Amino acid sequence: QQQVKQSPQSLIVQKGGISIINCAYENTAFDYFPWYQQFPGKGPALLIAIRPDVSEKKEGRFTISFNKSAKQFSLHIMDSQPGDSATYFCAASNGQNFVFGPGTRLSVLP
Amino acid sequence: NAGVMQNPRHLVRRRGQEARLRCSPVKGHSHVYWYRQLPEEGLKFMVYLQKENIIDESGMPKERFSAEFPKEGPSILRIQQVVRGDSAAYFCASQGTRGDKEAFFGQGTRLTVV
Repeated sequence: QQQVKQSPQSLIVQKGGISIINCAYENTAFDYFPWYQQFPGKGPALLIAIRPDVSEKKEGRFTISFNKSAKQFSLHIMDSQPGDSATYFCAASNGQNFVFGPGTRLSVLP
Repeated sequence: NAGVMQNPRHLVRRRGQEARLRCSPVKGHSHVYWYRQLPEEGLKFMVYLQKENIIDESGMPKERFSAEFPKEGPSILRIQQVVRGDSAAYFCASQGTRGDKEAFFGQGTRLTVV
Protein backbone atom coordinates (compact mmCIF):
# COMPACT_ATOMS: atom_id res chain seq x y z
CA GLN A 1 0.00 0.00 0.00
CA GLN A 2 2.98 2.27 0.44
CA GLN A 3 4.15 1.76 -3.13
CA VAL A 4 3.99 4.42 -5.81
CA LYS A 5 4.17 3.13 -9.38
CA GLN A 6 5.64 5.28 -12.13
CA SER A 7 5.83 4.91 -15.89
CA PRO A 8 7.48 4.99 -18.30
CA GLN A 9 10.93 4.10 -17.02
CA SER A 10 12.48 6.17 -19.77
CA LEU A 11 11.12 8.64 -22.28
CA ILE A 12 12.55 10.25 -25.39
CA VAL A 13 10.82 13.34 -26.74
CA GLN A 14 11.66 15.73 -29.53
CA LYS A 15 12.23 19.37 -28.67
CA GLY A 16 8.90 21.16 -28.56
CA GLY A 17 6.96 18.00 -27.84
CA ILE A 18 4.89 17.04 -24.80
CA SER A 19 6.40 14.78 -22.14
CA ILE A 20 3.93 12.79 -20.07
CA ILE A 21 4.84 10.78 -16.98
CA ASN A 22 2.27 8.80 -15.05
CA CYS A 23 2.07 7.68 -11.44
CA ALA A 24 -0.37 5.59 -9.44
CA TYR A 25 -0.78 4.96 -5.74
CA GLU A 26 -2.89 2.75 -3.50
CA ASN A 27 -2.85 4.33 -0.05
CA THR A 28 -5.83 6.69 0.22
CA ALA A 29 -4.18 8.34 3.22
CA PHE A 30 -1.74 10.12 0.90
CA ASP A 31 -2.70 13.78 0.70
CA TYR A 32 0.22 15.50 -0.98
CA PHE A 33 1.75 14.62 -4.34
CA PRO A 34 4.97 16.39 -5.38
CA TRP A 35 7.17 15.93 -8.41
CA TYR A 36 10.92 16.20 -8.19
CA GLN A 37 13.48 16.78 -10.93
CA GLN A 38 16.98 15.40 -10.55
CA PHE A 39 20.01 16.13 -12.71
CA PRO A 40 23.03 13.80 -12.58
CA GLY A 41 25.12 14.34 -9.48
CA LYS A 42 22.56 16.65 -7.92
CA GLY A 43 19.86 16.33 -5.32
CA PRO A 44 16.18 16.14 -6.27
CA ALA A 45 14.60 19.56 -6.67
CA LEU A 46 10.93 20.19 -5.98
CA LEU A 47 9.24 20.98 -9.29
CA ILE A 48 5.53 21.18 -8.65
CA ALA A 49 3.06 19.62 -6.22
CA ILE A 50 -0.66 19.06 -5.86
CA ARG A 51 -3.15 18.21 -3.14
CA PRO A 52 -6.12 15.91 -3.82
CA ASP A 53 -8.71 18.66 -3.54
CA VAL A 54 -7.83 19.95 -7.01
CA SER A 55 -7.70 18.08 -10.32
CA GLU A 56 -5.05 20.13 -12.07
CA LYS A 57 -2.24 22.51 -11.26
CA LYS A 58 -0.17 24.41 -13.79
CA GLU A 59 3.11 26.23 -13.32
CA GLY A 60 4.65 27.50 -16.52
CA ARG A 61 5.25 24.57 -18.86
CA PHE A 62 4.60 22.01 -16.10
CA THR A 63 1.12 20.68 -15.31
CA ILE A 64 -0.01 18.05 -12.83
CA SER A 65 -3.25 16.25 -13.55
CA PHE A 66 -4.81 14.43 -10.60
CA ASN A 67 -7.52 11.76 -10.69
CA LYS A 68 -8.54 11.00 -7.14
CA SER A 69 -11.02 8.23 -7.96
CA ALA A 70 -8.45 6.39 -10.08
CA LYS A 71 -5.64 7.18 -7.63
CA GLN A 72 -3.49 8.39 -10.46
CA PHE A 73 -1.60 11.57 -11.22
CA SER A 74 0.58 12.68 -14.08
CA LEU A 75 3.13 15.28 -15.03
CA HIS A 76 2.89 17.01 -18.39
CA ILE A 77 5.80 19.04 -19.70
CA MET A 78 4.69 21.22 -22.58
CA ASP A 79 7.13 22.48 -25.22
CA SER A 80 9.83 20.15 -23.86
CA GLN A 81 13.37 21.51 -24.06
CA PRO A 82 16.78 19.78 -24.01
CA GLY A 83 17.36 21.43 -20.62
CA ASP A 84 14.43 19.40 -19.27
CA SER A 85 16.45 16.23 -19.75
CA ALA A 86 16.66 14.76 -16.25
CA THR A 87 15.17 12.08 -14.06
CA TYR A 88 11.71 12.84 -12.72
CA PHE A 89 10.32 11.32 -9.54
CA CYS A 90 6.74 11.43 -8.42
CA ALA A 91 6.07 11.07 -4.71
CA ALA A 92 3.20 10.75 -2.27
CA SER A 93 3.06 11.78 1.34
CA ASN A 94 0.72 11.14 4.22
CA GLY A 95 2.64 13.43 6.54
CA GLN A 96 4.69 10.54 7.91
CA ASN A 97 7.16 10.19 5.08
CA PHE A 98 7.48 10.57 1.34
CA VAL A 99 7.16 7.50 -0.86
CA PHE A 100 8.85 7.92 -4.22
CA GLY A 101 8.21 6.33 -7.56
CA PRO A 102 11.18 4.62 -9.24
CA GLY A 103 11.80 7.56 -11.57
CA THR A 104 11.55 8.36 -15.27
CA ARG A 105 14.61 9.30 -17.24
CA LEU A 106 13.58 11.95 -19.77
CA SER A 107 15.71 12.78 -22.77
CA VAL A 108 14.66 15.70 -24.94
CA LEU A 109 16.33 15.62 -28.34
CA PRO A 110 17.37 18.95 -29.92
CA ASN B 1 17.40 22.54 -2.60
CA ALA B 2 17.81 25.99 -1.11
CA GLY B 3 19.30 25.88 2.33
CA VAL B 4 19.75 22.15 2.94
CA MET B 5 23.45 21.53 3.43
CA GLN B 6 24.98 18.09 3.39
CA ASN B 7 28.59 17.27 4.05
CA PRO B 8 30.81 15.85 3.01
CA ARG B 9 29.76 15.74 -0.64
CA HIS B 10 31.99 12.76 -1.24
CA LEU B 11 33.21 10.25 1.32
CA VAL B 12 35.51 7.30 0.79
CA ARG B 13 35.76 4.68 3.49
CA ARG B 14 37.49 1.32 3.71
CA ARG B 15 35.46 -1.73 4.63
CA GLY B 16 34.95 -1.88 8.38
CA GLN B 17 35.32 1.85 8.99
CA GLU B 18 32.60 4.20 10.15
CA ALA B 19 30.87 6.75 7.95
CA ARG B 20 29.27 9.89 9.39
CA LEU B 21 27.02 11.92 7.11
CA ARG B 22 25.78 15.31 8.21
CA CYS B 23 22.70 17.25 7.20
CA SER B 24 21.88 20.80 8.19
CA PRO B 25 18.23 21.49 7.31
CA VAL B 26 16.74 24.72 6.06
CA LYS B 27 16.90 27.29 8.87
CA GLY B 28 13.84 26.88 11.04
CA HIS B 29 12.97 23.42 9.74
CA SER B 30 12.54 20.79 12.41
CA HIS B 31 11.86 17.68 10.32
CA VAL B 32 14.51 15.70 8.48
CA TYR B 33 14.24 12.69 6.20
CA TRP B 34 17.12 10.51 5.01
CA TYR B 35 17.03 8.62 1.71
CA ARG B 36 19.45 6.28 -0.03
CA GLN B 37 19.84 6.19 -3.79
CA LEU B 38 21.75 3.49 -5.62
CA PRO B 39 23.09 4.30 -9.10
CA GLU B 40 20.33 4.45 -11.71
CA GLU B 41 17.71 3.74 -9.06
CA GLY B 42 15.08 5.63 -7.10
CA LEU B 43 15.04 7.10 -3.62
CA LYS B 44 14.57 4.66 -0.77
CA PHE B 45 13.25 6.03 2.51
CA MET B 46 15.43 5.34 5.51
CA VAL B 47 14.37 7.43 8.49
CA TYR B 48 12.26 10.41 9.49
CA LEU B 49 13.34 12.51 12.46
CA GLN B 50 12.22 15.53 14.35
CA LYS B 51 14.42 17.39 16.78
CA GLU B 52 15.53 14.83 19.40
CA ASN B 53 13.01 12.23 18.18
CA ILE B 54 13.00 9.39 15.68
CA ILE B 55 9.51 9.34 14.19
CA ASP B 56 9.83 6.55 11.63
CA GLU B 57 12.87 4.36 11.10
CA SER B 58 11.12 1.63 9.15
CA GLY B 59 13.53 1.99 6.24
CA MET B 60 16.71 1.71 8.26
CA PRO B 61 18.68 -1.54 8.22
CA LYS B 62 18.45 -3.18 11.62
CA GLU B 63 22.18 -3.23 12.17
CA ARG B 64 25.06 -0.79 11.68
CA PHE B 65 22.87 2.18 10.78
CA SER B 66 21.72 4.87 13.17
CA ALA B 67 20.45 8.42 12.89
CA GLU B 68 19.98 11.34 15.18
CA PHE B 69 18.77 14.93 15.03
CA PRO B 70 19.89 16.66 18.22
CA LYS B 71 18.40 19.80 19.64
CA GLU B 72 21.43 21.71 18.45
CA GLY B 73 23.46 20.93 15.35
CA PRO B 74 22.95 18.89 12.22
CA SER B 75 21.26 15.57 11.74
CA ILE B 76 23.76 12.71 11.58
CA LEU B 77 23.44 9.44 9.71
CA ARG B 78 26.01 6.99 11.02
CA ILE B 79 27.00 3.78 9.31
CA GLN B 80 29.26 1.52 11.33
CA GLN B 81 31.52 -1.16 9.86
CA VAL B 82 30.74 -0.16 6.30
CA VAL B 83 30.54 -2.78 3.56
CA ARG B 84 30.75 -2.40 -0.22
CA GLY B 85 26.96 -2.60 -0.47
CA ASP B 86 26.67 0.63 1.51
CA SER B 87 28.13 2.55 -1.44
CA ALA B 88 25.38 4.89 -2.57
CA ALA B 89 24.24 8.50 -2.56
CA TYR B 90 22.58 9.51 0.68
CA PHE B 91 20.19 12.44 0.57
CA CYS B 92 18.49 14.29 3.34
CA ALA B 93 15.40 16.42 2.98
CA SER B 94 14.04 18.97 5.41
CA GLN B 95 10.52 20.08 6.11
CA GLY B 96 9.20 22.87 8.32
CA THR B 97 6.37 21.04 9.95
CA ARG B 98 4.14 18.25 8.73
CA GLY B 99 1.57 20.81 7.77
CA ASP B 100 4.03 22.54 5.45
CA LYS B 101 4.27 19.46 3.26
CA GLU B 102 7.06 20.83 1.05
CA ALA B 103 10.34 19.02 1.53
CA PHE B 104 13.63 20.24 0.13
CA PHE B 105 16.61 18.04 -0.60
CA GLY B 106 20.30 18.60 -0.11
CA GLN B 107 22.90 17.78 -2.77
CA GLY B 108 23.67 14.46 -1.16
CA THR B 109 26.72 12.62 0.14
CA ARG B 110 28.20 10.06 -2.18
CA LEU B 111 29.68 7.27 -0.12
CA THR B 112 32.17 4.93 -1.70
CA VAL B 113 33.36 1.91 0.25
CA VAL B 114 36.61 0.46 -1.00
